Order: sequence, then structure tokens, then C-alpha cells
Amino acid sequence: AQKVTQAQTEISVVEKEDVTLDCVYETRDTTYYLFWYKQPPSGELVFLIRRNSFDEQNEISGRYSWNFQKSTSSFNFTITASQVVDSAVYFCALFSSGGSYIPTFGRGTSLIVHP
Amino acid sequence: GAGVSQSPRYKVAKRGQDVALRCDPISGHVSLFWYQQALGQGPEFLTYFQNEAQLDKSGLPSDRFFAERPEGSVSTLKIQRTQQEDSAVYLCASSLEEAGTTDTQYFGPGTRLTVL
Repeated sequence: AQKVTQAQTEISVVEKEDVTLDCVYETRDTTYYLFWYKQPPSGELVFLIRRNSFDEQNEISGRYSWNFQKSTSSFNFTITASQVVDSAVYFCALFSSGGSYIPTFGRGTSLIVHP
Repeated sequence: GAGVSQSPRYKVAKRGQDVALRCDPISGHVSLFWYQQALGQGPEFLTYFQNEAQLDKSGLPSDRFFAERPEGSVSTLKIQRTQQEDSAVYLCASSLEEAGTTDTQYFGPGTRLTVL
């Protein structure tokens, strides 16, 4: 069975603070893919990143960075110097062959960035 | 625009009515997915198509839910005899490659269905 846990329901920060969103996953497959999506108030899920299970290199894209650790089954997402426009719900998702490549989403973390 | 579009954006139905939700995927995308997102939850898979073929409908909650993609492009999700528990946002996503891969899915803005 596949499972994605985003334990943080809501995080509130002040602009320019750094914030980390946690994602813990469970799968029996050795080959799998992890994704992060952003859902602003408009409702559309915006793709942020995709990472496969064989690539544990951390990735940085501007103010965004991702820390993938297979040893702890975690794929955490950090926003540096947060901005009001970062306010959204963020979802972590898992795809694997054991799940017939049907994605399993976490419940999401609502990030509120105050000016 | 070039993204996934959905219509209507909002739909209010009386219990027992039938509704039809439309999805226009990105042009040329082979795979199309439907999800249901309840308030405060992540998207839950309903069904997916590869071109016009519906390859998996295991997530459809009841036989009142029906989806089609007759020409391998636009898709319609139909809900018959709507119930209050059907109230949710219905998201559509498309991907370039065949379903069964891990190709990135691109989502539409969703249709918010409210059943009174």
C-alpha cells in the first residue's frame, strides 16, 4: 500500500522567514517518483518538482529547495525568504508501479505568509 | 491558453439532479485523469484515459459516476442523481505520455460542485 503523510496541516510565517514543509511516504516499491504541487486559491495544482527514487541529490530552484532522504522516507520542501505570493496549499504526491502509477496525494499543508 | 481548462468552474445542483463536467486537456496529451478533492483533503483518483480508452475506473465511488472521452481529447465526467456527499472540487489533469508512466500531470482549475 502507498501512503503519503503531510503532518503539518497549516503553517503561518512572516514574510522573509524560511519554512520547511514535511512529506513522509510509504511504499514497498524500489522504483517510485515523488512530486510536489502548489495549489493557490485559484484552485489549479501547479507542478513544482518531480524526483525519482534513484536520485537522492538535493535540488535547488531559486528560493525553493528539496531534501530527499530515502533512509527516512522523506521528501521535504524548503522555501527560503518566503513571500506573500507563496501562500497556498502544498501537496506531496507519490507514484509507483505498485500503485499502478496512480498517484497518492498527501492531505496538503496550508502555508500562510503574512506581510 | 495552452493549459488544461475545465467548465463550468462552479456548479450548484439540487439533490437528485444529473450534472456534466467538462475537461479540455492540453492539446496532444495522451493521458487524462479525473480526481475528486474534498474540502481540506488531497486529490483522490477517480479514473483515467489513454486516448479514448478508459483504462482504470477503480476510483469512481459509485455507478452514478460515469466518464467518457470519445475522441481522445475532451472528456466529460457525469454524475447522475447527485447526492450531498458528491460535493467537492473535481480536478482534471493531462499528461503527454501514456498512462502507466510517471509523466508529469498538468492540472486544470477544477469544477467546484455543490449539491444542495
